Amino acid sequence: EIVLTQSPGTLSLSPGERATLSCRASQSVSSSYLAWYQQKRGQAPRLLIYGASSRATGIPDRFSGSGSGTDFTLTISRLEPEDFAVYYCQQYGSSPATFGQGTKVEIK
Amino acid sequence: QITLKESGPALVKPTQTLTLTCTFSGLSLSTSGVGVGWIRQPPGKALEWLALIYWDDDKRYNPSLKSRLTITKDTSKNQVVLTMTNMDPVDTATYYCAHRHCSSVRCYPFDYWGQGTLVTVSS
Repeated sequence: EIVLTQSPGTLSLSPGERATLSCRASQSVSSSYLAWYQQKRGQAPRLLIYGASSRATGIPDRFSGSGSGTDFTLTISRLEPEDFAVYYCQQYGSSPATFGQGTKVEIK
Repeated sequence: QITLKESGPALVKPTQTLTLTCTFSGLSLSTSGVGVGWIRQPPGKALEWLALIYWDDDKRYNPSLKSRLTITKDTSKNQVVLTMTNMDPVDTATYYCAHRHCSSVRCYPFDYWGQGTLVTVSS
């Protein structure tokens, strides 16, 4: 099983600032099958990024993903008020699919 | 437009079997490449993938829970059913169903999710 470790656990930032979230895999993620989700309190996760760097339908271009192998990054270029939430990475290239433990982006 | 909705009991007793139904629209589990999976999330904790069924009845399970899980589909009813045996208080979680698909060249992650249903395990 591929273990995903996200850092930091919590990111305290102000609106307009840049957020950089990390996801490290215990072994290489095949075909860059790495996704990022956003989850707000009381809501289902929302797909942001798939294939490590492709934005899902309707996702603003302030969200970008990068990385390959075992190291992946989600960047939010300028935080909007609605971006404060918990973010999860997921690898879906190997079974079982696994999720990271999440990074909370909170208002500073 | 793809929508999914979970249904099932809100409360189950320890040792009982949980049966959850995912009813969907806007997609067909008879279409090549389509899959519907289940994911759970204990209160305040991370997501955990449980099981997945594809259009061709290929079934995948999380090895850590495989002995307790069964996933089936009813294409005519647009439903996927998950059963989990021997429920325990640690299984208390919000259970989500979600859609994924594979093309001829690559697969995609869960892109449409249901709203989730909270299941509490308590005597």
